[in-house]
Amino acid sequence: GESVGLHLPTLSVQEGDNSIINCAYSNSASDYFIWYKQESGKGPQFIIDIRSNMDKRQGQRVTVLLNKTVKHLSLQIAATQPGDSAVYFCAENIQDSNYQLIWGAGTKLIIKP
Amino acid sequence: NAGVMQNPRHLVRRRGQEARLRCSPMKGHSHVYWYRQLPEEGLKFMVYLQKENIIDESGMPKERFSAEFPKEGPSILRIQQVVRGDSAAYFCASSPTTGINSGANVLTFGAGSRLTVL
Repeated sequence: GESVGLHLPTLSVQEGDNSIINCAYSNSASDYFIWYKQESGKGPQFIIDIRSNMDKRQGQRVTVLLNKTVKHLSLQIAATQPGDSAVYFCAENIQDSNYQLIWGAGTKLIIKP
Repeated sequence: NAGVMQNPRHLVRRRGQEARLRCSPMKGHSHVYWYRQLPEEGLKFMVYLQKENIIDESGMPKERFSAEFPKEGPSILRIQQVVRGDSAAYFCASSPTTGINSGANVLTFGAGSRLTVL
């Protein structure tokens, strides 16, 4: 079936370095993608979203890249900080909805001091 | 602004018992959504409610699960005759509006209720 998946379950980066978290999706009809951050014991927190008519969107210290040709999504975090330690999920919409999303399994980001 | 409040944060039940999970949306939010998260997995949509109405329950199991959002009080997710497979984190989110044009950033999530079935 259609699914959203992640390449790496765990990513360790040095504090201050840039982090890149990848996500593959298989539903070519999806037109809206979101990245969430989930810290231990907390609910998901919206980071950034992107629609399929764009290939790049920047936020504060984060950039999302969308490559529709290969159905690939990535989240780049600049100058990673200890507070960035969390599990990061990508999600894609189904139907015309902002709440019914297909979520990937998550990538755990570990920051090394 | 207290955010989305969920309680209890942790709930332990034996097989066959009932579990009730509560969610108070953010002030001013009239849309409530429930999700289930298994360990090391993403969230799966269960149900979307507005006051006194179930709008979309396409993600709810057909048996033992029910949800309500009464005119007064919190939204409640009720699981009857719990089984071990119901063990999960249940998250509630709320929003002031809905629809794809609003974007997913209008949803605010609570900290979740972790159900353990023995």
